[in-house]
Amino acid sequence: AQTVTQSQPEMSVQEAETVTLSCTYDTSESDYYLFWYKQPPSRQMILVIRQEAYKQQNATENRFSVNFQKAAKSFSLKISDSQLGDAAMYFCAYRSNFGNEKLTFGTGTRLTIIP
Amino acid sequence: SAVISQKPSRDICQRGTSLTIQCQVDSQVTMMFWYRQQPGQSLTLIATANQGSEATYESGFVIDKFPISRPNLTFSTLTVSNMSPEDSSIYLCSVGNRGRATNEKLFFGSGTQLSVL
Repeated sequence: AQTVTQSQPEMSVQEAETVTLSCTYDTSESDYYLFWYKQPPSRQMILVIRQEAYKQQNATENRFSVNFQKAAKSFSLKISDSQLGDAAMYFCAYRSNFGNEKLTFGTGTRLTIIP
Repeated sequence: SAVISQKPSRDICQRGTSLTIQCQVDSQVTMMFWYRQQPGQSLTLIATANQGSEATYESGFVIDKFPISRPNLTFSTLTVSNMSPEDSSIYLCSVGNRGRATNEKLFFGSGTQLSVL
């Protein structure tokens, strides 16, 4: 079974600065997807960014980028120019491309933005 | 992207009663999932809702406690039966479609905040 580990329960960053959230995972599969979801106090799960394991190029979405290290099974999220609206819980998630395509989530990192 | 309507958004229930949560999607989707998020914790998959057949439950979850229906490709319900305070959680519906071009996006409903007294 796949597992996802987020070792940082809480992180804080000064507004306009850059922060990196860590995520590691364990799998024996070669074809899968990795995601970062954001959950603000509204409870809504918002997809931030996704990475396909067979693509070597790191995904980027505006101020959000990932550092995907497949051999090390590491998938960190970098948020540049942090904004107050970035404050939320961030969950790393894994999804196999075989069988039941369910998401397996990490325990989450609470990100606080300091004005 | 899919638009998901999840109802109710929150409820307060008495111990021993049951609550049915609805998930309605504005387009047909291949996959529908139900997750539970206990206070301060991550999301745990309860089951996969299968259209026209019994749901597939994850370890630790059983049909008698969490019966699920999925009569078509746009609608599903999750019932939390014989509730106890330990069932107080957020319950989320998630949907997506198979196929490498589109299936990497799983969309979530806004969740149901359940409190059991």
